[in-house]
Amino acid sequence: GENVEQHPSTLSVQEGDSAVIKCTYSDSASNYFPWYKQELGKRPQLIIDIRSNVGEKKDQRIAVTLNKTAKHFSLHITETQPEDSAVYFCAARFGNEKLTFGTGTRLTIIP
Amino acid sequence: KAGVTQTPRYLIKTRGQQVTLSCSPISGHRSVSWYQQTPGQGLQFLFEYFSETQRNKGNFPGRFSGRQFSNSRSEMNVSTLELGDSALYLCASSFDGGEAFFGQGTRLTVV
Repeated sequence: GENVEQHPSTLSVQEGDSAVIKCTYSDSASNYFPWYKQELGKRPQLIIDIRSNVGEKKDQRIAVTLNKTAKHFSLHITETQPEDSAVYFCAARFGNEKLTFGTGTRLTIIP
Repeated sequence: KAGVTQTPRYLIKTRGQQVTLSCSPISGHRSVSWYQQTPGQGLQFLFEYFSETQRNKGNFPGRFSGRQFSNSRSEMNVSTLELGDSALYLCASSFDGGEAFFGQGTRLTVV
């Protein structure tokens, strides 16, 4: 089955700097890669996703890149703000198979 | 449009008991997935139901079971509770393999 590895597990970034979180997946057939943000005590919420037919997707300060050959994808947050502090999860799925999550990255923005 | 609703929000049970958790998906969503979230383990997939049929299954013991009703509401049951079952149980609904929307979760404590 699919296996998703996520790094780093914790990340501290100065406010205004960029943050990058990386994930690798094992199943080359996976074609959907979402990123979720979970604030303390709240439910995970989708912040951006990408499908395997594109290499990059941007939404304001957030971008995701996908390298299908290397089987890895990354989340990039630019101009970080205190409200970006949360746990971020990457995930991967093929078709209607289960969504497999990484173990999460706790991002802390230092004011 | 109402979001995904999970009940109850909190539960305290004794070892050996059994528990049933409920999840009402977003109207029109036919897929409901269940996840166990524990510190350091991320989101572990339990199972997914689609149109009343279990479509995907994770690697949990048979004590964990679920079902889905004709209105797409889903229940998860855990029998013979163990201390290690203490966790946040999240359900997520989607139209069909698309974006997954999470409920606020049920926090289960086994004592």
